[in-house]
Amino acid sequence: DAKTTQPTSMDCAEGRAANLPCNHSTISGNEYVYWYRQIHSQGPQYIIHGLKNNETNEMASLIITEDRKSSTLILPHATLRDTAVYYCIVFNTDKLIFGTGTRLQVFP
Amino acid sequence: DAGVIQSPRHEVTEMGQEVTLRCKPISGHNSLFWYRQTMMRGLELLIYFNNNVPIDDSGMPEDRFSAKMPNASFSTLKIQPSEPRDSAVYFCASSLRGINTGELFFGEGSRLTVL
Repeated sequence: DAKTTQPTSMDCAEGRAANLPCNHSTISGNEYVYWYRQIHSQGPQYIIHGLKNNETNEMASLIITEDRKSSTLILPHATLRDTAVYYCIVFNTDKLIFGTGTRLQVFP
Repeated sequence: DAGVIQSPRHEVTEMGQEVTLRCKPISGHNSLFWYRQTMMRGLELLIYFNNNVPIDDSGMPEDRFSAKMPNASFSTLKIQPSEPRDSAVYFCASSLRGINTGELFFGEGSRLTVL
């Protein structure tokens, strides 16, 4: 059972920042927020994860609210290749359960 | 590193036939996961192993499905007999169980069509 709520779909212009929101209001103190994406016909790909601090890597930034009930994945300069389904997952060191995710369409 | 390797990439079979999907995890990884993806149900976790031992098979749909991991470098998912509703993409993933357990590395999937 997915513990997250995400918009079904979003659009973003190429070169602009894509901000993907996720609600996880029932998250527990020891549960992490993980983000994955799945490009058409490929396996899911890990993007980033965090517990309570904001995180950044070469792919994206993750902003977690202070109460940890929501987070935002930021792709700073979206490209056409970022078109994919993005999954936000609450994880507690057991198993990853994928929800329905957000379908991000990056347009020229 | 070759990543997670799955075979076959595509399989078309007839109802009632046995299907065997294969997975080679990333060397050194000690957790292995089998997922199934369909349009209707999305990505479902079927079973996962730690150190070659099945930990949770609650996602296996029914007795027609079985999974084995005879050693650290090989796993199989078998469907016998297969049915049209088993048509899906089956993904294998592996991870190094530890601090970052949630970082799974997925294979490219095996697309199964049962006629």
